[in-house]
Parts: sequence; C-alpha cells; structure tokens
Amino acid sequence: GENVEQHPSTLSVQEGDSAVIKCTYSDSASNYFPWYKQELGKRPQLIIDIRSNVGEKKDQRIAVTLNKTAKHFSLHITETQPEDSAVYFCAASMNTGGFKTIFGAGTRLFVKA
Amino acid sequence: ETGVTQTPRHLVMGMTNKKSLKCEQHLGHNAMYWYKQSAKKPLELMFVYNFKEQTENNSVPSRFSPECPNSSHLFLHLHTLQPEDSALYLCASSQEVNTGELFFGEGSRLTVL
Repeated sequence: GENVEQHPSTLSVQEGDSAVIKCTYSDSASNYFPWYKQELGKRPQLIIDIRSNVGEKKDQRIAVTLNKTAKHFSLHITETQPEDSAVYFCAASMNTGGFKTIFGAGTRLFVKA
Repeated sequence: ETGVTQTPRHLVMGMTNKKSLKCEQHLGHNAMYWYKQSAKKPLELMFVYNFKEQTENNSVPSRFSPECPNSSHLFLHLHTLQPEDSALYLCASSQEVNTGELFFGEGSRLTVL
C-alpha cells in the first residue's frame, strides 16, 4: 500500500523567510496530492492540492511542486507570517482522494515574529 | 463554520465505560470518515461510510464500533478502551467517497484512564 514520508517534523523560520516541507510517496499510482493545515486546537483544512498531470501550482504565497519520476512533492510558503504557524500534513491518494488518502506525519511550522 | 460538527469536544472515560462520539455534517456530502490522530503520527483512517454503507474498516479493534444511521450522521461507540486509545478522533466528510477534499470536524479529544 501507499506510504507517505514527510520532512522535517519541525521547522522554525523567521517572519518573512520562506518555508519548504517535503514529502515522498511510494505508490506510483497515486495521482492526487493535497496539503492540509491544522492550527492549534483546530480542524485540518485543505490549503492547496495538485494532481499528477501538473508539475506546479501556486496560490498567492503558497506553492506546491510535484516530481512524479522521483515520487516527491513539496510545499513552499513564501514571506511567512506568524499566522502561518501550524501543523501541515501532506497526503497522497489514488483517483481524486477520499478514503484512499494516506497522510504524512505532519510538520510543525513555527514562524517567529 | 459549522460544516462538520463533533460532540463532545472532550471526553474522559475509564476502561470499563461505554461512551459514544457523534458527528454531523451539514454539507450534503455522501461519504463520512473517522480518523484517529495521535501525537507525531500520521492521521490514521479508521472507518469509511458511503451512503450509510461501510466501505472500509482499516483493521480497527472491535472495541470501536461505528454507526451511520444516515448520510449526515456518524457515531463512534466506545467500549472497554485502553489507555493507548487516548487520541483526537476526527470526523470528516467528502462529496463522494473518491472526491478530492476532506472536510474535517474539530475533533473529539478522548482520554482513557
């Protein structure tokens, strides 16, 4: 079955700097890669996703890149702000998500003001 | 935001107690899920329901018993739990069982004494 590895487990950056979180997956059949953000005491929420027919997707300060050959994908946050502090989860799934979604262990991001 | 609501938010129970977690979604979705979130571990899928029918049981011990009376409500009945079952239990829904975005509830924080 699918296995998703996520690194680093903890990341601390200065406000305004960029943050990068990397994930690898094992099942080459996976074709949908969402990223969820979970603020302290809150629910996980989808912030961006990418499908296997696309190499990069950007939404304001957030971008995701996908390398299908190497089976890894990354989340890039530019100009980080204190409100970006949260736990970020990558995930991989076949078809378009739902019950076949396998999550990484999460990255706790601290943005220092 | 009241898309997916879970009650109770916090629950403390002894190993011999019987309790239930409740989830309700107001999004008109057809699929509902239970996930277990433990510290520093990936979100673990427990159960999947599609149109009230269970489609996935991810090798969950029988001391966890799900119930889905309709596509808007999902319960997790708990009986003779172990301390290692202490975790955050997240309910989620999606439009269909294989569609992209999962909408999570705030979770029920369970402590087993």
